[in-house]
Amino acid sequence: GAGVSQSPSNKVTEKGKDVELRCDPISGHTALYWYRQSLGQGLEFLIYFQGNSAPDKSGLPSDRFSAERTGGSVSTLTIQRTQQEDSAVYLCASSLFSDSNQPQHFGDGTRLSIL
Amino acid sequence: ILNVEQSPQSLHVQEGDSTNFTCSFPSSNFYALHWYRWETAKSPEALFVMTLNGDEKKKGRISATLNTKEGYSYLYIKGSQPEDSATYLCALFGAGSYQLTFGKGTKLSVIP
Repeated sequence: GAGVSQSPSNKVTEKGKDVELRCDPISGHTALYWYRQSLGQGLEFLIYFQGNSAPDKSGLPSDRFSAERTGGSVSTLTIQRTQQEDSAVYLCASSLFSDSNQPQHFGDGTRLSIL
Repeated sequence: ILNVEQSPQSLHVQEGDSTNFTCSFPSSNFYALHWYRWETAKSPEALFVMTLNGDEKKKGRISATLNTKEGYSYLYIKGSQPEDSATYLCALFGAGSYQLTFGKGTKLSVIP
């Protein structure tokens, strides 16, 4: 496909379970970002990958959150021991490279609900 | 932590009306300003990327201006149409950073 692909589109799980969210960026895009939008809040930066460089994890809210990007392409965001406050829409975006002039291309997001 | 403010939080306009909203940011830490449109059940879509003081960008009936010295950007929609209904997000790319800091958005509803 031409756009950023995220899966699953919706995820409902019980508190304490682990979840994995997947992002497939646009082919050739070297920069990949994860954001989340909690109810009533703006989009919040979580983590950023640029090529093979070490990721910028400064936005991850706790050590229960981790992400990896394999082969410079697909990324997985993992949340361990989920809590109700983790309920949010998780968005992935990619850009050609990490430059301020580059627009970011977003996926449709994963709506995560923790019961 | 950068603070990006958008106003108003929401507004309703009649079809055919023109409207505008504001994005404010700390001028001392500016690198680039992005505008995105986020329609319900879709993904955010880039509208404009602006970097220079006095920049003006236009895409159809939508335009934006940028004032980096005073730290604000305006988004204008001329002759609003129902398909313009969406949340409009602005985001700051700050100096020394590789991430966007988003405002909470302005939710526009255009009434036919």
